[in-house]
Amino acid sequence: AQSVTQLDSQVPVFEEAPVELRCNYSSSVSVYLFWYVQYPNQGLQLLLKYLSGSTLVKGINGFEAEFNKSQTSFHLRKPSVHISDTAEYFCAVSDQSGGYQKVTFGIGTKLQVIP
Amino acid sequence: EAQVTQNPRYLITVTGKKLTVTCSQNMNHEYMSWYRQDPGLGLRQIYYSMNVEVTDKGDVPEGYKVSRKEKRNFPLILESPSPNQTSLYFCASSSGLAGQPQHFGDGTRLSIL
Repeated sequence: AQSVTQLDSQVPVFEEAPVELRCNYSSSVSVYLFWYVQYPNQGLQLLLKYLSGSTLVKGINGFEAEFNKSQTSFHLRKPSVHISDTAEYFCAVSDQSGGYQKVTFGIGTKLQVIP
Repeated sequence: EAQVTQNPRYLITVTGKKLTVTCSQNMNHEYMSWYRQDPGLGLRQIYYSMNVEVTDKGDVPEGYKVSRKEKRNFPLILESPSPNQTSLYFCASSSGLAGQPQHFGDGTRLSIL
């Protein structure tokens, strides 16, 4: 069974500073990986996804993530955060086995950008 | 505009009074799912549907029912709500193919007194 660990429940960071949100997954098979963002009072929106190919994935709003198979990690990074990045971020994983996609979500990391 | 629409957005009700949360998508997606979001627990899947008349339990199905009579609609039914079902609920849809992202509604905040 898959599991996703987001080690930090909250991450405070000053505006214009870099940030890394950590995500580790556990799966015995090849996986697809996702990061979603949830702004206050909204549903989740896709930030970026890794399916195959280059391990560095670029997403919307200047975010990027790196897939590291040996460390089973998919950490999210942004070199310079803005106030508008304040939100909750969810890492998710699904198996690459064909057919129905069972997606498992992490518990989320709240990013608070401090002016 | 591609969207998943949930109604109501907010509901306060009492224990035992049946309620339905509606979900509709306009993307002709085959796969639809319901999640609940609770502090410290993230998103947990309640039920999902692979297509019309095809539904299955997720990780936390107890106390909930669903139906999929039409492709675009996937209502969540609480026959006899209890306070432990107070939560934030999300409906999501996707093509169902592995690797395809899910599209989420804006959520329904449910309080059961």
